[in-house]
Amino acid sequence: EVQLLESGGGLVQPGGSLRLSCAASGFTFSSYAMNWVRQAPGKGLEWVSVISGSGSNTYYADSVKGRFTISRDNSRNTLYLQMNSLSAEDTAVYYCAKDESRGGRAAFDTWGQGTVVTVSS
Amino acid sequence: AIQMTQSPSSLSAFVGDRVTITCRASQGIRNDLGWYQQKPGKAPKLLIYAASSLQSGVPSRFSGSASGTDFTLTISSLQPEDLATYYCLQDYSYPWTFGQGTKVEIK
Repeated sequence: EVQLLESGGGLVQPGGSLRLSCAASGFTFSSYAMNWVRQAPGKGLEWVSVISGSGSNTYYADSVKGRFTISRDNSRNTLYLQMNSLSAEDTAVYYCAKDESRGGRAAFDTWGQGTVVTVSS
Repeated sequence: AIQMTQSPSSLSAFVGDRVTITCRASQGIRNDLGWYQQKPGKAPKLLIYAASSLQSGVPSRFSGSASGTDFTLTISSLQPEDLATYYCLQDYSYPWTFGQGTKVEIK
């Protein structure tokens, strides 16, 4: 069964850092691009970042560029999101999502259950 | 960044009704658009990719279409289990962007 399991969320003070993890199972992890998507309380979905299967290509939303870093360890089947200089606006549920990439078009066919990040003093 | 304007923000319809949700892109995005369903308290689920391709396992009452920069998700016969918020996502150029969402309620 294809599964994604996020961890690492929690309460952090403004200006602090946090690293999220997403453990993948049930598929050949290195063959797929992976994404982070977040959702602030009561708000819509916001795409955050993507990393290619090899890890050589990464892209970010303007709101997190320069503060967040996406990475992956294909030997451990794990995706990461390093988040620095956090502010209240980063408070959200963070989901990881596998990109099936059908015909070159994105298709987030598998999602994790989400991990909650709260930035507050 | 490409802006995706989704409408309506919410709607209420009867079981069996035909429901349409629209996303308009601020520029051309070919057919690089997907539709996602999010039920309360759950992770999103892929319904449609490449504007009109139905994801495996998704009921055939869901369909997608495109005309220029306008994209439509149609539920041909609304069912009680379709209570959810629906989002479009453009994957034409980075940063990828979601629409604001459409909350679908059952009358």
